[in-house]
Amino acid sequence: EDKVVQSPLSLVVHEGDTVTLNCSYEVTNFRSLLWYKQEKKAPTFLFMLTSSGIEKKSGRLSSILDKKELFSILNITATQTGDSAVYLCAVSAGNMLTFGGGTRLMVKP
Amino acid sequence: EAGVAQSPRYKIIEKRQSVAFWCNPISGHATLYWYQQILGQGPKLLIQFQNNGVVDDSQLPKDRFSAERLKGVDSTLKIQPAKLEDSAVYLCASSLGQGIGELFFGEGSRLTVL
Repeated sequence: EDKVVQSPLSLVVHEGDTVTLNCSYEVTNFRSLLWYKQEKKAPTFLFMLTSSGIEKKSGRLSSILDKKELFSILNITATQTGDSAVYLCAVSAGNMLTFGGGTRLMVKP
Repeated sequence: EAGVAQSPRYKIIEKRQSVAFWCNPISGHATLYWYQQILGQGPKLLIQFQNNGVVDDSQLPKDRFSAERLKGVDSTLKIQPAKLEDSAVYLCASSLGQGIGELFFGEGSRLTVL
């Protein structure tokens, strides 16, 4: 059975801090890893990673994949209160997409 | 471009009653997914359609849940009879292809079973 584990479960930081969120996986026939941000509504897409070692970046967010060690990290620098959300990692394997349990990030002013 | 549409947004029912949720995916998206998200957890796949065929329904509790996508476009998910543990947000998502690309999610249907 495909497995995706995220850590930490939750995190509280202050504005301006840098955070690193982790996602490890055990799947058969890996295709890609995706990061989503979920506020009160539906998850919104952040990144899709398919190759090891290539950083994807969007503003203050960046992510990288390690296919040998089977994990990915999502970094957020200079955090803002608007970054408060649940961050979901999902792994595409075969024709399936399996989500982790999410990391709840709270950024305090 | 219109997004994934879901209805109703909220539903409150008593246990043993039935409920149905509707989803209309983004035009042209062949793959449609129903996920169940219990509070504090990540989304769990219930069923995945490719056009009007089922790709995976291994985690769908078939004694009470059913889903269909008859014309390969919109879809309905039904629960009958509902249990307390079915209280969750039911997310519909669609994608162009299977599994590799970005999924586009609807706003979700929040079900409360009393």
